[in-house]
Amino acid sequence: NAGVTQTPKFQVLKTGQSMTLQCAQDMNHEYMSWYRQDPGMGLRLIHYSVGAGITDQGEVPNGYNVSRSTTEDFPLRLLSAAPSQTSVYFCASSSPGTPTRHYTFGSGTRLTVV
Amino acid sequence: DAKTTQPNSMESNEEEPVHLPCNHSTISGTDYIHWYRQLPSQGPEYVIHGLTSNVNNRMASLAIAEDRKSSTLILHRATLRDAAVYYCTPMEYGNKLVFGAGTILRVKS
Repeated sequence: NAGVTQTPKFQVLKTGQSMTLQCAQDMNHEYMSWYRQDPGMGLRLIHYSVGAGITDQGEVPNGYNVSRSTTEDFPLRLLSAAPSQTSVYFCASSSPGTPTRHYTFGSGTRLTVV
Repeated sequence: DAKTTQPNSMESNEEEPVHLPCNHSTISGTDYIHWYRQLPSQGPEYVIHGLTSNVNNRMASLAIAEDRKSSTLILHRATLRDAAVYYCTPMEYGNKLVFGAGTILRVKS
């Protein structure tokens, strides 16, 4: 099993450009989430999904869109990149049901907006 | 969302036990307490979780206070590879995972 795969690993964008961060998992997990981590800071929840077709906002959703058309994929779209979105982005997935199901995280995408 | 309070940083000597505390006084009765850690330049990884009873696994032990308002992650013999940021977080029934600032653990050789 590959687990949670994030692509690309590194990306540099110009202000105003748009792009999609990809996240895929092969564990048949219903729950998926996106986090951002600014330098020296903790993780903040951007958006999460409890299943295909269902998404909800987290703590810092502004400037980001998500959709969940399949169980496996949960892409994060930056609509118009801003320097404040320079961060490391982590995707995570989990099985649904009881709160004993822990999350598996990807290795992250390091995004720089210039 | 339940709030958690952890020390900003802690330091330990290699091969010694480490006790990492977490206060979660607003936790609900059905929230499990999860611990994750983040090694440098990596994504977080699951460490351990529990509800009311103390728990052990190959990585660590989790001691949960009787009133569930606090818990302690115990690394029995810290190694240099345990240097990381440790997060405790209540897992709500909807499985939404929200992180606090965590504790930076430094391990000295």
